[in-house]
Amino acid sequence: TQLLEQSPQFLSIQEGENLTVYCNSSSVFSSLQWYRQEPGEGPVLLVTVVTGGEVKKLKRLTFQFGDARKDSSLHITAAQPGDTGLYLCAGARGTSYGKLTFGQGTILTVHP
Amino acid sequence: GAVVSQHPSWVICKSGTSVKIECRSLDFQATTMFWYRQFPKQSLMLMATSNEGSKATYEQGVEKDKFLINHASLTLSTLTVTSAHPEDSSFYICSAPRGGSNEKLFFGSGTQLSVL
Repeated sequence: TQLLEQSPQFLSIQEGENLTVYCNSSSVFSSLQWYRQEPGEGPVLLVTVVTGGEVKKLKRLTFQFGDARKDSSLHITAAQPGDTGLYLCAGARGTSYGKLTFGQGTILTVHP
Repeated sequence: GAVVSQHPSWVICKSGTSVKIECRSLDFQATTMFWYRQFPKQSLMLMATSNEGSKATYEQGVEKDKFLINHASLTLSTLTVTSAHPEDSSFYICSAPRGGSNEKLFFGSGTQLSVL
């Protein structure tokens, strides 16, 4: 079973601070995705990383895929209250589209 | 706008009754859809893969007779929770890949099931 260990599980910070969420596995994934989920809604895809060492930026969010494609990180710069939510990493197993293994999730709260 | 529609958004039912949840791809065809389950403040757990025109594939530990999946058309998959019990109360989410790529995977808005 491919497991994704996501940390931290909870993160409470002040507006303007930076933060990093980590996603680690002992297994290799063909791709890794990051989602954000609001309460009572489905996850919304933020980014997909495919290549080892890949870095993608989405405004204040920076996503990195480890060289060995076993780990990933999400870094948020100058967090805003609007960034509050549940962040999930998810790894894809080969070509099984949609059969994602999700990390435990990180509940981020950004206080004004 | 939403490309995967899930209905209902929430449902309350009595123990022992069955509940059907629908998942529709709105502007694309999906030969495969996926059903996940999520408990409060926890991550998503894949329950089963819904295959159009054939039997669903269930993950280990998921009772196929308890969670009936039907994928009768290229745009609709249904999950029926049969003889629901309070422990079945959860947030159920479907997803469908568009374009055959993980990069274009869309999730429904989820269904909150509460069994009394």
